[in-house]
Amino acid sequence: GAGVSQSPRYKVAKRGQDVALRCDPISGHVSLFWYQQALGQGPEFLTYFQNEAQLDKSGLPSDRFFAERPEGSVSTLKIQRTQQEDSAVYLCASSLIRDTGANVLTFGAGSRLTVL
Amino acid sequence: SQKIEQNSEALNIQEGKTATLTCNYTNYSPAYLQWYRQDPGRGPVFLLLIRENEKEKRKERLKVTFDTTLKQSLFHITASQPADSATYLCALDGGYSTLTFGKGTMLLVSP
Repeated sequence: GAGVSQSPRYKVAKRGQDVALRCDPISGHVSLFWYQQALGQGPEFLTYFQNEAQLDKSGLPSDRFFAERPEGSVSTLKIQRTQQEDSAVYLCASSLIRDTGANVLTFGAGSRLTVL
Repeated sequence: SQKIEQNSEALNIQEGKTATLTCNYTNYSPAYLQWYRQDPGRGPVFLLLIRENEKEKRKERLKVTFDTTLKQSLFHITASQPADSATYLCALDGGYSTLTFGKGTMLLVSP
């Protein structure tokens, strides 16, 4: 597609429910990133894929968070047993790392998760 | 660990003036520094990047400076317009790696 597509745009979950957030990156972008953005804060890195390989998951806050990208295109971020502190906007971004090494990200509009 | 700081308070300026936003960082030597714009309810949008060996970069009404000695980048918008009102994020780019973002500075341009 023309841009990075995320769904759902809004998700309300009761505490303890599992949620799944989907990201459809720009076609041909091998790198895919997930960031978490709390209200009034900048995006915080969660995890990074290159094709289907998850190269860095150091930002995932707990083992309740899990991400996958099985075929190297669409990615899903899953949060199990949601807690109120998980409430945030989850941003997906994809990129082509340039020959120079600069990593310019194209973001989706985000999925806003509210945990009650 | 690396730390990145941006003006925490909103910057209010009048239309036509130059807006200057600051980004300071510590404990890191990025290969690049990037600036993004974020509007409410939207994801960040890339504006400009500057390399560690560049002092200044321009794009239309935007200008970015990068001082690796001071560990600081300044982002200028000249002849500001109300449509420039948004949150501006700076990000450290180590090259072939993930980006680390600051908290952002909200810019409000009044007519």
